[in-house]
Amino acid sequence: AQSVAQPEDQVNVAEGNPLTVKCTYSVSGNPYLFWYVQYPNRGLQFLLKYITGDNLVKGSYGFEAEFNKSQTSFHLKKPSALVSDSALYFCAVRAPLGGYQKVTFGIGTKLQVIP
Amino acid sequence: NAGVTQTPKFQVLKTGQSMTLQCAQDMNHNSMYWYRQDPGMGLRLIYYSASEGTTDKGEVPNGYNVSRLNKREFSLRLESAAPSQTSVYFCASSGQPGQGFGAYEQYFGPGTRLTVT
Repeated sequence: AQSVAQPEDQVNVAEGNPLTVKCTYSVSGNPYLFWYVQYPNRGLQFLLKYITGDNLVKGSYGFEAEFNKSQTSFHLKKPSALVSDSALYFCAVRAPLGGYQKVTFGIGTKLQVIP
Repeated sequence: NAGVTQTPKFQVLKTGQSMTLQCAQDMNHNSMYWYRQDPGMGLRLIYYSASEGTTDKGEVPNGYNVSRLNKREFSLRLESAAPSQTSVYFCASSGQPGQGFGAYEQYFGPGTRLTVT
């Protein structure tokens, strides 16, 4: 069975400081990994994905994530946080086998950027 | 290009009432999904449709039915609503490898906030 762990319910960071939101996963085979963001009363919005290739992937709004196979992690990062980055962030994993493959989401990490 | 649209945005039902949540996507995606989001539980898959004409159960299908009306539309029906179905419901879609846009990731609608009293 595949799973995703987001060990922090909430991350607080000062505006202008770097931010990290942690994610570890468990899946058979090489994973497809995703980050989504959810603003209040909105649907989830795709940020970035790792499918194959370079372990550092860049996405929307200046976010990036690093795939670390040995540590089974896919942490989300941004060099300089903005107040507008405050939202709920979800990590997700999918196994890259044929046909439909279930996507498993973490329970989310609330990011609070303090002015 | 509206992406994924859902109706209604809000709904209040009494226990035992029925309703249908509508979802449509205009990205020519093959796969569509229905999730529910509850505090502290993340997103849980109710049903999915890998392609037009097929539907399958997800993690929490009990009390729900779905219809993949055509490639664009995927509806979720609650036949006899229960308070445990109070939740926020999201529809999503995704494409196929080689399709380019949305080949792997999912695109979500704005959600339906349902309260069952």
